[in-house]
Amino acid sequence: DGGITQSPKYLFRKEGQNVTLSCEQNLNHDAMYWYRQDPGQGLRLIYYSQIVNDFQKGDIAEGYSVSREKKESFPLTVTSAQKNPTAFYLCASSGRRHYGYTFGSGTRLTVV
Amino acid sequence: QQPVQSPQAVILREGEDAVINCSSSKALYSVHWYRQKHGEAPVFLMILLKGGEQKGHEKISASFNEKKQQSSLYLTASQLSYSGTYFCGTDISNFGNEKLTFGTGTRLTIIP
Repeated sequence: DGGITQSPKYLFRKEGQNVTLSCEQNLNHDAMYWYRQDPGQGLRLIYYSQIVNDFQKGDIAEGYSVSREKKESFPLTVTSAQKNPTAFYLCASSGRRHYGYTFGSGTRLTVV
Repeated sequence: QQPVQSPQAVILREGEDAVINCSSSKALYSVHWYRQKHGEAPVFLMILLKGGEQKGHEKISASFNEKKQQSSLYLTASQLSYSGTYFCGTDISNFGNEKLTFGTGTRLTIIP
């Protein structure tokens, strides 16, 4: 079955370390997105990519970086510059317009 | 700026009706609705387009008032399975891939 896979489900890191979250899709979708979810704040857009080798900053891109070398993959790196990285991170993809996003099951990152 | 959802939370008995509102300060092209159960990925429910019709999905329907940049989600004769957090996602453009800005969410709890 087609879908989006995020790994790992839970991730613990020490403060000051960079960490990379994986997102892979086999839906043949062109667009991919990273959202951050915090309690009471909904989902906020970090980065998005509409085609391979191209991506744009979202509303809260500071302290994050991405790459899109393959259509199927859109990894997110949380750098040490991100002041409050502990959160639930959701990856999504979109094919044709008006068919909605497909979300992965998320990665819960805890920085200690 | 994120769209504002109201109410923030609601508790219903099984069989009761609920209305969840989503209001944006920007002119909208489309509104998406998603439901997220605790610890899971958000799931796409429906999309409403500018100039489009009111949509329905079994006992869940929605409307879109373009002039007021508002959308409402209607859940009738609620079932236990309707419990979760509902998010609206708004898109201000009809070009390229969709880029959604999500609301802060409405937590719906259905009790027997």
